[in-house]
Amino acid sequence: AQSVTQLGSHVSVSEGALVLLRCNYSSSVPPYLFWYVQYPNQGLQLLLKYTSAATLVKGINGFEAEFKKSETSFHLTKPSAHMSDAAEYFCAVSDEPGNQFYFGTGTSLTVIP
Amino acid sequence: NAGVTQTPKFQVLKTGQSMTLQCAQDMNHEYMSWYRQDPGMGLRLIHYSVGAGITDQGEVPNGYNVSRSTTEDFPLRLLSAAPSQTSVYFCASRPRGSYNEQFFGPGTRLTVL
Repeated sequence: AQSVTQLGSHVSVSEGALVLLRCNYSSSVPPYLFWYVQYPNQGLQLLLKYTSAATLVKGINGFEAEFKKSETSFHLTKPSAHMSDAAEYFCAVSDEPGNQFYFGTGTSLTVIP
Repeated sequence: NAGVTQTPKFQVLKTGQSMTLQCAQDMNHEYMSWYRQDPGMGLRLIHYSVGAGITDQGEVPNGYNVSRSTTEDFPLRLLSAAPSQTSVYFCASRPRGSYNEQFFGPGTRLTVL
């Protein structure tokens, strides 16, 4: 079965600093990878997804992620953190033929003013 | 479009009671899934469906039943509630295809006393 590992259950950054949230996947075939964000007491919202069209994927709210096959990674970055970025972030991988999603355990991002 | 809707938003049950969590989507998506979210464990798949009349078990199916009589609805039944089922439950839907993201409902917060 496929899986994703998110390193760091809690990440704190200062407002304006770089955001880096790590995700590594386990897959024997090119995966379909996703990043979701969850604001307090809400459902999950898609930030971006990798579907093999380009290794650098741009998402909403200034986030982007780079697919690195050699490192089996799909880390999420944002050049400058904003207070509104404080949330829980989940990395996920879809299997073939796409029946199931496998989620990481999540990373809680705190932005310090 | 309303997207994915879930009812109720909050529910408190006593041990041994049964109930049904409702989920509906108006996007004509083939795939629907139920997840539970617990602190530090990410989202775990309970049951999923790839179309009307077709359901399958996910990672944590024990104590839950589902059915899919229509494309739009995918109710989750708790047969005899236990305190271990205290959690936040999310319903999601997606179109067919591994590269397609899931769309999530707002969640149901369930407490079993």
